[in-house]
Amino acid sequence: EPEVTQTPSHQVTQMGQEVILRCVPISNHLYFYWYRQILGQKVEFLVSFYNNEISEKSEIFDDQFSVERPDGSNFTLKIRSTKLEDSAMYFCASSESVPRAKPFYNEQFFGPGTRLTVL
Amino acid sequence: AQTVTQSQPEMSVQEAETVTLSCTYDTSESDYYLFWYKQPPSRQMILVIRQEAYKQQNATENRFSVNFQKAAKSFSLKISDSQLGDAAMYFCAYRGHYGQNFVFGPGTRLSVLP
Repeated sequence: EPEVTQTPSHQVTQMGQEVILRCVPISNHLYFYWYRQILGQKVEFLVSFYNNEISEKSEIFDDQFSVERPDGSNFTLKIRSTKLEDSAMYFCASSESVPRAKPFYNEQFFGPGTRLTVL
Repeated sequence: AQTVTQSQPEMSVQEAETVTLSCTYDTSESDYYLFWYKQPPSRQMILVIRQEAYKQQNATENRFSVNFQKAAKSFSLKISDSQLGDAAMYFCAYRGHYGQNFVFGPGTRLSVLP
């Protein structure tokens, strides 16, 4: 069964360093998402991406974050200058179609996550 | 803005028994979707069950069923015949009809006792 994959599973970095988290969405999916989960807290939406541009983002997704689909398969989240509070589990997700194209739910499939630890 | 509340941080159930996890939400929209996701210790979230708000009938997936009360903005998950593999963090989530992102609740950690 196709699944979303993420690398690395655990990333340790020094404060102020740049990190890139990688995701390979399910191949025929068109919408991509990043969420984060600070330890012990709820999952929070960061950004959604469609047709090579950001379609929606939360207030968490400030100028230090960026997303990119550098080729036909990868979807990346870059954090330019990491802070201690960026330590969290980062989940990538993908969905098959545009929500407006279907008058019903649009299931998002989640990857296993990347644990980011900022020291 | 929409919010999702799960008032039970932790729950436990005996194997083979039934447990109900609570979820309430707040929205001004009339059309939306509700979901329960399971996050086992391996950390990957898996969809358990979903409900379209325009459907009055409660969704059911094998041992999992929901009690959707639209007027009360309540969406509880019932797990029947609990199994050890049901032990996980359970997140209730909301998505608007035209929205792209989920709003998650804080989660309920379910333990299944042998």
